[in-house]
Amino acid sequence: AQSVSQHNHHVILSEAASLELGCNYSYGGTVNLFWYVQYPGQHLQLLLKYFSGDPLVKGIKGFEAEFIKSKFSFNLRKPSVQWSDTAEYFCAVNAMNTGFQKLVFGTGTRLLVSP
Amino acid sequence: GAGVSQTPSNKVTEKGKYVELRCDPISGHTALYWYRQSLGQGPEFLIYFQGTGAADDSGLPNDRFFAVRPEGSVSTLKIQRTERGDSAVYLCASSLQGAPGETQYFGPGTRLLVL
Repeated sequence: AQSVSQHNHHVILSEAASLELGCNYSYGGTVNLFWYVQYPGQHLQLLLKYFSGDPLVKGIKGFEAEFIKSKFSFNLRKPSVQWSDTAEYFCAVNAMNTGFQKLVFGTGTRLLVSP
Repeated sequence: GAGVSQTPSNKVTEKGKYVELRCDPISGHTALYWYRQSLGQGPEFLIYFQGTGAADDSGLPNDRFFAVRPEGSVSTLKIQRTERGDSAVYLCASSLQGAPGETQYFGPGTRLLVL
């Protein structure tokens, strides 16, 4: 079945550590890829997205993600995390064969950054 | 308004009762989406509206769930004969046109608890 996998359910880091959150998807064909973030007590908001062009995408707050088509991956990275990055992170995909409107989400990764 | 709004923010009901959840999208957005997020999971697609019509309702779990958007703006998700398994956060999102790669903007959600 078509799906989105996030390998890490919980990640704990110290401030200034580097972050990489994995995301793999199983859709063939053309895809759009998203990372959403949910800070404590807030609603889901877009961190970054890949639509076309440069597979290295830069988003808000110093986050970036790289689309590697051969690996069906879209991993999220940040070189140096801050306490304020504590949140839940969701990878999402929409695909040509699902009409491009439906977002399919992974199960999320809870990141805790200790000061 | 400035963002997507949803009412009520919380709803507690008894098994077997009928509930209505409301979504007010960003002004001018023609595309509207409903998702459901259960504990420990990512959001799961329910239905997508383009204007007044439901363009994709493939995510509605059964015929107890129904959604409308009669004037192409506000949408109501209706759940009949609620069951305990319907307990979840119901999220609404909107986007400008529903085009590929478009960002979906999420509301704060309605937390539904069925006793």
